[in-house]
Formats: sequence, structure tokens, C-alpha cells
Amino acid sequence: AQSVTQLGSHVSVSEGALVLLRCNYSSSVPPYLFWYVQYPNQGLQLLLKYTTGATLVKGINGFEAEFKKSETSFHLTKPSAHMSDAAEYFCAVSVSGAGSYQLTFGKGTKLSVIP
Amino acid sequence: GAGVSQSPSNKVTEKGKDVELRCDPISGHTALYWYRQSLGQGLEFLIYFQGNSAPDKSGLPSDRFSAERTGGSVSTLTIQRTQQEDSAVYLCASSPGQPPVVLHFGNGTRLTVT
Repeated sequence: AQSVTQLGSHVSVSEGALVLLRCNYSSSVPPYLFWYVQYPNQGLQLLLKYTTGATLVKGINGFEAEFKKSETSFHLTKPSAHMSDAAEYFCAVSVSGAGSYQLTFGKGTKLSVIP
Repeated sequence: GAGVSQSPSNKVTEKGKDVELRCDPISGHTALYWYRQSLGQGLEFLIYFQGNSAPDKSGLPSDRFSAERTGGSVSTLTIQRTQQEDSAVYLCASSPGQPPVVLHFGNGTRLTVT
């Protein structure tokens, strides 16, 4: 079974500062990895995904994440935070098998951006 | 094209009543998922449909919870004899059904049991 751990339920950064949201996963087979963002009173929106190939993945809104197999990590970064980045971010892992392609999500990290 | 649509957006019900939550997936998406989001608990998987069948219903928390999907499209999640601990946001997502699974989420139904 797969699992996801997001370190830090709440992260605060200043506008213009680096954003780093941490995610570690556990999977017995090569995983697919995802980051989703949730704005208030909305569903989740895909930011980026890793499937195979290049380990540095670029997503929407200037975010990127790097798959590091040796560290079982998939941390999300953005060089310069913007006020509009304030939201909750979820890391997720997916593997095939058992007839279900469900995503397993972390508990989320709420990002606050301080002006 | 329209995204995933869920109704109602908000539902307040009294403890012990039954509720039905509806999900209209993206047209052509064969896979449909229900998740529950509780404060501080992240997203909890409930059930997965491929077409009209549910090969994985391992996340349903009790036999008070059931779901069906008809015509390979609309799905209904039913909660019988609601309890206060059922209060949460219920999210529906759909997917084309092939790995890697990319889920497209609706805005959810916020259920409050009083």
C-alpha cells in the first residue's frame, strides 16, 4: 500500500520569498506523483504530475517539483511567492493494481503568503 | 466542456435523516471517485467506479454509506441515518480511466449534520 507524508500542516512565507512544500511517499512499486492545489470553497486542481522520464517537473503558476527516488521525496517549489499562491496544497501518489487507480493524498499543507 | 458538477453545494440535515449527494462527471470519463474531506484529515478515499461497477469500495466507512452509478455517468452517494461525524465536504472526481490517474474534481458538497 502507498502512503504520503506532508511535513508541515501550515507554512508561511513572505511575498517574493521561496516556497518549499515537502512531500515524502511510500510505495512498493514505481509511483506516479501529483501535486494538487485547493482554493477556498473549491475542488482540487492539478498543479503538476510525475509519471516517468525527467525527474524535474514543471507545472502551472510557476511551480515545479523534483522526484528523488533515493529520498522518496517529491517536494514542491516556487522561486517567488505571490499573494495568489495562498491556498492548501496536497501531494498524492498513485499506483496501479487491485483494480483501482485511486490516488492516496497527504493531509495537506496550508500556505499563507505575507505581504 | 463542463467540468465535474456536484449538487447540492451545501446540505444541512438533522441527525438520523438520509441524504443523497449527486455527481455529474466530465463526459466520457469512465472512472469516478468519491472522497471525503474533513478538517485536518486530508482526503479520505471512499469508493471508485469504473463504468457502472465499483471494483473498490474499501473506503466506505460503514454500511450506512452506499453509492451507485448509472449509465456510466451520474453517481449518487447516499448516507443513511446520518451522524454528526458524517459532517464533511464530499468531493467527487472523474478520470479518463487510464493510468496515470489524473483526477478532475468537482467543488464538493459540504454536509452539515445537526
